[in-house]
Amino acid sequence: GIQVEQSPPDLILQEGANSTLRCNFSDSVNNLQWFHQNPWGQLINLFYIPSGTKQNGRLSATTVATERYSLLYISSSQTTDSGVYFCAVLLSNDYKLSFGAGTTVTVRA
Amino acid sequence: DSGVTQTPKHLITATGQRVTLRCSPRSGDLSVYWYQQSLDQGLQFLIQYYNGEERAKGNILERFSAQQFPDLHSELNLSSLELGDSALYFCASSVGTGLAYEQYFGPGTRLTVT
Repeated sequence: GIQVEQSPPDLILQEGANSTLRCNFSDSVNNLQWFHQNPWGQLINLFYIPSGTKQNGRLSATTVATERYSLLYISSSQTTDSGVYFCAVLLSNDYKLSFGAGTTVTVRA
Repeated sequence: DSGVTQTPKHLITATGQRVTLRCSPRSGDLSVYWYQQSLDQGLQFLIQYYNGEERAKGNILERFSAQQFPDLHSELNLSSLELGDSALYFCASSVGTGLAYEQYFGPGTRLTVT
């Protein structure tokens, strides 16, 4: 099956710092989503981004489908950004999202 | 708030028991997906329904079953529960099935089997 690899596995940031999270995938995909799982366990949709670049406030994402990777940028990080960030992809002719192992982000005040 | 609702939020039960998890999709969404998140397996797809019909199966145990009702809500039934079934169970929904449809996740049901 498709491999979804996220890096780094863990990230510790000082409040106000910027960071980049990476997601590599092993096959062509029709759908790529980024999620934030907060400390209460909720999975929050951040981006639906099978290709191109999108921005939402302090967060932005870029997917280069031909090179099979996606990047999530967090700027001016805040303590509320702490949690686990997941990348999930959906293969052509598939129904399920395949998730990476996640990047655990800790933002310190 | 994604618009997907799940009940109950928490469930504590004993080994050997049976439980039912309920999910209501976002208004207008026809597809419902069930995912399991455990510490050792990560987030894994269990099963998908589209407009009342099963569309895809993932790593779902034979002790687990699901259905989608005419009003589009879905239930996941877990029976003969084992300690290893303790996990966070998510329901997600999308407008269509497969291809380029964004999936929205509910808040999850945290199941603890003792």
